[in-house]
Amino acid sequence: GQSLEQPSEVTAVEGAIVQINCTYQTSGFYGLSWYQQHDGGAPTFLSYNALDGLEETGRFSSFLSRSDSYGYLLLQELQMKDSASYFCAVTGTGRRALTFGSGTRLQVQP
Amino acid sequence: DAGITQSPRYKITETGRQVTLMCHQTWSHSYMFWYRQDLGHGLRLIYYSAAADITDKGEVPDGYVVSRSKTENFPLTLESATRSQTSVYFCASSDSDRASYEQYFGPGTRLTVT
Repeated sequence: GQSLEQPSEVTAVEGAIVQINCTYQTSGFYGLSWYQQHDGGAPTFLSYNALDGLEETGRFSSFLSRSDSYGYLLLQELQMKDSASYFCAVTGTGRRALTFGSGTRLQVQP
Repeated sequence: DAGITQSPRYKITETGRQVTLMCHQTWSHSYMFWYRQDLGHGLRLIYYSAAADITDKGEVPDGYVVSRSKTENFPLTLESATRSQTSVYFCASSDSDRASYEQYFGPGTRLTVT
């Protein structure tokens, strides 16, 4: 089976940097993805890591350590519009379907 | 450029009724998925499909039926709705050629079973 752990809530101020951690247990592993979901909206893809290291996409970066079964999403220069839920998800071997964590609700304060 | 659409967006039904949620994508993506999201939880996979006429169970398939006769459509049927199936249902699609496994989600169907 597969399970993921991430904090339920994080609060930060505008302009700051926040890191959302994700640990996973899985019987097979292809990669770790991150999705953003605003209230009432659909999840949207942010990033994907298959190899160890940091992937940067604008203000967002994602990190993976396969040996530690750990990853994080780093959000820089926080903006009010970044207030949303963030989900880590793993892709297991042999299939494209995702197993999601329960999500981290990020609240950005002025 | 419709992308991926779901219908209806909102549905109220009674316990025991059959209800079908529709999903349509215009990208010709080979993979399609159904997830449910309950309040305060992540998304749980119900069923997925790798191509037309190929479907497989996810984490929570009981009480649901899927079919995929055409690449672009992936309907989800609740055979006899129960209150525990009250949820938001998301359909998603994925291109088999993308190494990132990126999934594109529809807007969701909010289903209430009374």
